[in-house]
Amino acid sequence: DTGVSQNPRHKITKRGQNVTFRCDPISEHNRLYWYRQTLGQGPEFLTYFQNEAQLEKSRLLSDRFSAERPKGSFSTLEIQRTEQGDSAMYLCASSSPGLASYEQYFGPGTRLTVT
Amino acid sequence: AQTVTQSQPEMSVQEAETVTLSCTYDTSESDYYLFWYKQPPSRQMILVIRQEAYKQQNATENRFSVNFQKAAKSFSLKISDSQLGDAAMYFCAFQGGSEKLVFGKGTKLTVNP
Repeated sequence: DTGVSQNPRHKITKRGQNVTFRCDPISEHNRLYWYRQTLGQGPEFLTYFQNEAQLEKSRLLSDRFSAERPKGSFSTLEIQRTEQGDSAMYLCASSSPGLASYEQYFGPGTRLTVT
Repeated sequence: AQTVTQSQPEMSVQEAETVTLSCTYDTSESDYYLFWYKQPPSRQMILVIRQEAYKQQNATENRFSVNFQKAAKSFSLKISDSQLGDAAMYFCAFQGGSEKLVFGKGTKLTVNP
């Protein structure tokens, strides 16, 4: 079990560019979550999937954000036309219904800097 | 909507001593879970301890224990025999009917040798 992995770990982009992040959950975890963490704050929920179905989206997820989880395995989070306010750490987590309270295991995150 | 409040932005403790981190939350739900997560500098978040709201007994994991006061909506974390490796950001989190976690702003814990 290699844990939740995220790529890239760091991304620097210019305002207006599109970026895509990838998350690979722990194998056999059917739930996958995306959070965003800005400096000095706790993580804020963005969206989550059960298998390939996107079951909940936060109001934070504007039209410029889209997430997918084809085939219920890895997930991608795309941000279009990035803005400086998008600079943050993007965290991915996964869980399994076999776990108590759907305990979420977090990846190392992707740090996005928009210049 | 649920909210989680951590009123201590920073705390410090001497190595081998005990420290308590505070957390309060607000919810109208009766069934929920509470968590403490640890986020070391530049490292990923890991679960420290979990409490089910329906359980009256406070959860304990080795040197970590909680004081869960459901009526007061309080959920504090006690770290005994503090170690240098305990230095990190600590986040209190709530999980209700929705599977999403709602986090507080965190408490930065410094352990002094």
